[in-house]
Amino acid sequence: GQSLEQPSEVTAVEGAIVQINCTYQTSGFYGLSWYQQHDGGAPTFLSYNALDGLEETGRFSSFLSRSDSYGYLLLQELQMKDSASYFCAVRDYSSYKLIFGSGTRLLVRP
Amino acid sequence: DTAVSQTPKYLVTQMGNDKSIKCEQNLGHDTMYWYKQDSKKFLKIMFSYNNKELIINETVPNRFSPKSPDKAHLNLHINSLELGDSAVYFCASSQEISPQNTEAFFGQGTRLTVV
Repeated sequence: GQSLEQPSEVTAVEGAIVQINCTYQTSGFYGLSWYQQHDGGAPTFLSYNALDGLEETGRFSSFLSRSDSYGYLLLQELQMKDSASYFCAVRDYSSYKLIFGSGTRLLVRP
Repeated sequence: DTAVSQTPKYLVTQMGNDKSIKCEQNLGHDTMYWYKQDSKKFLKIMFSYNNKELIINETVPNRFSPKSPDKAHLNLHINSLELGDSAVYFCASSQEISPQNTEAFFGQGTRLTVV
């Protein structure tokens, strides 16, 4: 089966940098995705890493190390509006189910 | 021009009732999903349809029955509602169900409260 581990909560200060980690255990692996969900809102797709390394999209970057079964989402120049839950996700190798981690709640303080 | 829309947004109902949640996507996607998000924010897949065909059917009570009249619509009917069914139900769609495609578009959710 698949499992994804994330910290339950992270707190950071406005303007700072924060890293949200995700470790995964899978029977097969294609790539790691990240989603953002604001309270009361829908999950929205942020990024996808299939290859090792860092992918940057504006203030957000996502990193993958396939050998370590590990990835992270890096948020720079934090803004109050970044307060949300962040989920890592993988596609199950055999069933193609899109499986989500338990989510990390990010609280950005002034 | 909502991409994935589901109705209703809120649903409060009594135990034992039967209710339906409707979902429509205008993205031309082949694959649609139902997810349940509990109070701890854990997102769990329930069903997935690809071109109107059921392809993922998780261990969900058979009181839950999805129906896809066409590939743009995926409805969820729930019979004999129980307190434990209270959650937010999300409909989602993706272009295809391939290993490399993990981008899903979610509806705004239906907050179901069973009293």
